[in-house]
Amino acid sequence: GAVVSQHPSWVICKSGTSVKIECRSLDFQATTMFWYRQFPKQSLMLMATSNEGSKATYEQGVEKDKFLINHASLTLSTLTVTSAHPEDSSFYICSARGGRDSGAKNIQYFGAGTRLSVL
Amino acid sequence: DAKTTQPPSMDCAEGRAANLPCNHSTISGNEYVYWYRQIHSQGPQYIIHGLKNNETNEMASLIITEDRKSSTLILPHATLRDTAVYYCIVRGNTGFQKLVFGTGTRLLVSP
Repeated sequence: GAVVSQHPSWVICKSGTSVKIECRSLDFQATTMFWYRQFPKQSLMLMATSNEGSKATYEQGVEKDKFLINHASLTLSTLTVTSAHPEDSSFYICSARGGRDSGAKNIQYFGAGTRLSVL
Repeated sequence: DAKTTQPPSMDCAEGRAANLPCNHSTISGNEYVYWYRQIHSQGPQYIIHGLKNNETNEMASLIITEDRKSSTLILPHATLRDTAVYYCIVRGNTGFQKLVFGTGTRLLVSP
């Protein structure tokens, strides 16, 4: 299957600082990228959907000024957690989907996730 | 997107077939059935998807009932590495359709 790379895999930061997570589709052009969050023993929760060159669409209850998403190219999306607090500690997972003619064949592939710990 | 119902957990002996059921009685005509799995502390892994015909790939087989209201994911020879949470998701294939995860089935493969 297609490969989605997410970096970093693990980050610890101080409360009040900002953290940026990168998500890249390595072997296909991602027309749409998604960001999920997962708390321990819970399922994945969709945070936002973004298309290249457009503003992200956030799910209800997700603060867009808190979680900044930039989908600058067809292979890169970033999530910045601004002014992070301990309650933002979670497992963040990105996902990318290409078109039917892409290597991803309209299937949504996932990165390995980023574990964020805010002290 | 239609809602799915899966058993919370299942057990399977190593080497035996694992049959994971999923109900999606409100599925509409243009919605596909997708299966993903998540091994502990990793991102979800795509397994297989289908519309109405049965599908098979190197990982698994997907059997969809004729009325499309339910499906079964079959891992023909389960190994210990197949221990994971398996998610059945129904999603359309047009526009900005997105995957919405339910609680899935926790499959435990034992020696």
